[in-house]
Amino acid sequence: GAGVSQSPSNKVTEKGKDVELRCDPISGHTALYWYRQSLGQGLEFLIYFQGNSAPDKSGLPSDRFSAERTGGSVSTLTIQRTQQEDSAVYLCASSLLGTSGRTGNEQFFGPGTRLTVL
Amino acid sequence: QQQVKQSPQSLIVQKGGISIINCAYENTAFDYFPWYQQFPGKGPALLIAIRPDVSEKKEGRFTISFNKSAKQFSLHIMDSQPGDSATYFCAAKKAAGNKLTFGGGTRVLVKP
Repeated sequence: GAGVSQSPSNKVTEKGKDVELRCDPISGHTALYWYRQSLGQGLEFLIYFQGNSAPDKSGLPSDRFSAERTGGSVSTLTIQRTQQEDSAVYLCASSLLGTSGRTGNEQFFGPGTRLTVL
Repeated sequence: QQQVKQSPQSLIVQKGGISIINCAYENTAFDYFPWYQQFPGKGPALLIAIRPDVSEKKEGRFTISFNKSAKQFSLHIMDSQPGDSATYFCAAKKAAGNKLTFGGGTRVLVKP
């Protein structure tokens, strides 16, 4: 079956421009996560969506970052007024369930979007 | 504050040898400990995971050892193969939480 897909795979933008990154989770997965992977910071949690609940935005580094999930499926991560320190690989993951239960919590990652801000 | 500390940062092992990666955590609220394998240009892939009610879990050549009292867990790759060359991440998640907290990663190189 299809895994988590992300687009674009690579994005080069100029400082100050806005970018949108897309994530298609595994069909049927109710939970969706965004992480950022950078050389200096490793893998960092950004935001989490679970069903119709309010998202956990506790990992977003600034108010330039926002995300939405439409129809409980596709998610878009938007970075406004990009800065050079935003350069990283942005990873999306999904899991069958959210926090409840001892099974179904496994997070499956997409290939990521490599963002380069010049 | 780094909640999950991973060592070593890099590891070179001969084909057929054992690769050992260690992680330590501070927060006793963590109750789920997965290991991820990542190849260049790819996203992390779940390798094996453990919960603190067991001390060891084995899947094929991969074994997690868990020491709850020491708040440490490790990944052993037995009979290491060149195809195992990748970056490995340990992670932890709280029972009531949703996000994974990752270790810094270990780059493993298996020489033929």
